[in-house]
Amino acid sequence: GDSVTQMEGPVTLSEEAFLTINCTYTATGYPSLFWYVQYPGEGLQLLLKATKADDKGSNKGFEATYRKETTSFHLEKGSVQVSDSAVYFCALSEAGTSGSRLTFGEGTQLTVNP
Amino acid sequence: NAGVTQTPKFQVLKTGQSMTLQCAQDMNHEYMSWYRQDPGMGLRLIHYSVGAGITDQGEVPNGYNVSRSTTEDFPLRLLSAAPSQTSVYFCASGRQAFSTDTQYFGPGTRLTVL
Repeated sequence: GDSVTQMEGPVTLSEEAFLTINCTYTATGYPSLFWYVQYPGEGLQLLLKATKADDKGSNKGFEATYRKETTSFHLEKGSVQVSDSAVYFCALSEAGTSGSRLTFGEGTQLTVNP
Repeated sequence: NAGVTQTPKFQVLKTGQSMTLQCAQDMNHEYMSWYRQDPGMGLRLIHYSVGAGITDQGEVPNGYNVSRSTTEDFPLRLLSAAPSQTSVYFCASGRQAFSTDTQYFGPGTRLTVL
């Protein structure tokens, strides 16, 4: 079945550092890929997405490129801020009988220190 | 728009008790779903619905029931609570059941079963 693997956390960075959170996936078809973010005490919200190979999703300074050849969708940001502290989830959705069912990775806790 | 709302925010149950977690959305979304979030496991799909009157099981449906009598509401029922159902529950909705669609999450219900 489908699966998503994220780099283990937690990740702790200083403000203005470069961020990479690795995400790889296994899917039988051609999934759409997502990054969701969960701020403390809140629900998940979409950060960015890509729906086909070589697409780049971007939002709030974050970027991720859909790499079919390496089955990856790594999240990057050039300069993190304290306000980026949150849990980040990589997820995929594959067309099928279950509609837009999301398969999530385990989540990566990011803490950014001033 | 209020988006996706969930009640209650917190709940403590004793083993064997029943309860209903409420979920409502005001975006006229066809697709709604329930996930549970457990530490180190990401989110896992419990049940989903592709429209009023249509529901189906997800990855971890045992111990939970759902119904969808209106487009707006998608309650989750625990028939006889067990400690293994201690978790954070998220409801989500999406425009349609397409894999490329963004899903919108509620703020969650934290359930503890003693």
